[in-house]
Amino acid sequence: ELKVEQNPLFLSMQEGKNYTIYCNYSTTSDRLYWYRQDPGKSLESLFVLLSNGAVKQEGRLMASLDTKARLSTLHITAAVHDLSATYFCAVLSRKLVFGKGTKLTVNP
Amino acid sequence: DVKVTQSSRYLVKRTGEKVFLECVQDMDHENMFWYRQDPGLGLRLIYFSYDVKMKEKGDIPEGYSVSREKKERFSLILESASTNQTSMYLCASHSGGENNEQFFGPGTRLTVL
Repeated sequence: ELKVEQNPLFLSMQEGKNYTIYCNYSTTSDRLYWYRQDPGKSLESLFVLLSNGAVKQEGRLMASLDTKARLSTLHITAAVHDLSATYFCAVLSRKLVFGKGTKLTVNP
Repeated sequence: DVKVTQSSRYLVKRTGEKVFLECVQDMDHENMFWYRQDPGLGLRLIYFSYDVKMKEKGDIPEGYSVSREKKERFSLILESASTNQTSMYLCASHSGGENNEQFFGPGTRLTVL
């Protein structure tokens, strides 16, 4: 059974700092997804990573995938308050399996 | 743009009522999903469907059923609502193909009194 683990589950950081969220998964897959969720809202697709070594960037967020290590990272550069949200990774097996989410708070 | 819509953003029902949650997607996707999201438990898959009239149980199907009579519409049914079904319900539509991207609806926050 595929398991997806994110860490940390909670992250409080200062504006302007960098940090990385990690997503580990237990069985082979070459499709990994990152989503953002604001409080009370639905999930918004951020990145789709389709192969080993894939790297995608959008603004201050960069996601990468290492299928051999079964690891994806979401790197935050020079954080700003607007990035405060919960971030989920999900791995495709026969269906999408989600991590528990990382609640990010960016403080002024 | 893919659009996934859900019939209600907020719903309040009483214990024992039959509840219908509707989801419609406009991109001709074959795959549709229903999740519930609760604090500390993340997203849990209730049911999914890979084709019209086809359904498959997810991780927590008890107390729920689904209907997929048309490709664009996937309905979640609570046969007899209970207070432990108070939750945020999220519908999703999956593109398949090369990207295999999954798009979510806005969610329905259901309260069962």
